[in-house]
Amino acid sequence: GQQLNQSPQSMFIQEGEDVSMNCTSSSIFNTWLWYKQDPGEGPVLLIALYKAGELTSNGRLTAQFGITRKDSFLNISASIPSDVGIYFCAGGVSGNTPLVFGKGTRLSVIA
Amino acid sequence: DAGVIQSPRHEVTEMGQEVTLRCKPISGHDYLFWYRQTMMRGLELLIYFNNNVPIDDSGMPEDRFSAKMPNASFSTLKIQPSEPRDSAVYFCASNQGGGRNGNTIYFGEGSWLTVV
Repeated sequence: GQQLNQSPQSMFIQEGEDVSMNCTSSSIFNTWLWYKQDPGEGPVLLIALYKAGELTSNGRLTAQFGITRKDSFLNISASIPSDVGIYFCAGGVSGNTPLVFGKGTRLSVIA
Repeated sequence: DAGVIQSPRHEVTEMGQEVTLRCKPISGHDYLFWYRQTMMRGLELLIYFNNNVPIDDSGMPEDRFSAKMPNASFSTLKIQPSEPRDSAVYFCASNQGGGRNGNTIYFGEGSWLTVV
């Protein structure tokens, strides 16, 4: 089946640093989504991308839908302690088929 | 509007016991998903329903796992008998399906299961 390769698996960064993570696939997706999971909670949607090449921001977060439709990245600028958590990418083909999830990037922020 | 509601939030049970996890999807959503999350395997899709009908249960690990959706506002995931390797977080999620936003699914807070 389809798989997403998400990297890095984990990151330890200093507060204030910028963060970058990405997802790649051998398959084409029509939607890319980024979720964040806080410790002890369920994943929450951060950004949704619907068009190849699309660049979307949500506060300090910026995500892009790769032009080939096979990748996406998420950047976090000026990290703060509450950015700690697991970030998941997810790719969608159509509205009637389940998302494919990456294995997540575990982010730790050192104050 | 209330989000996806799951119960129990935490359960500790002995090996061999039956476990029932419950989910109430967001009102109006016609797709419901059950996921399992572990450190080793990440988020795994177990089964999903459309309009209360199971569409794909190929992710259900064994016959010990079963899921039902008797109506649009309720679903259960049952493990019988439970084993220690079933210890994981089980998430329920829902979405409206179809259209541009159809892929955006909304997760519950999860049921944290420990089988000892």
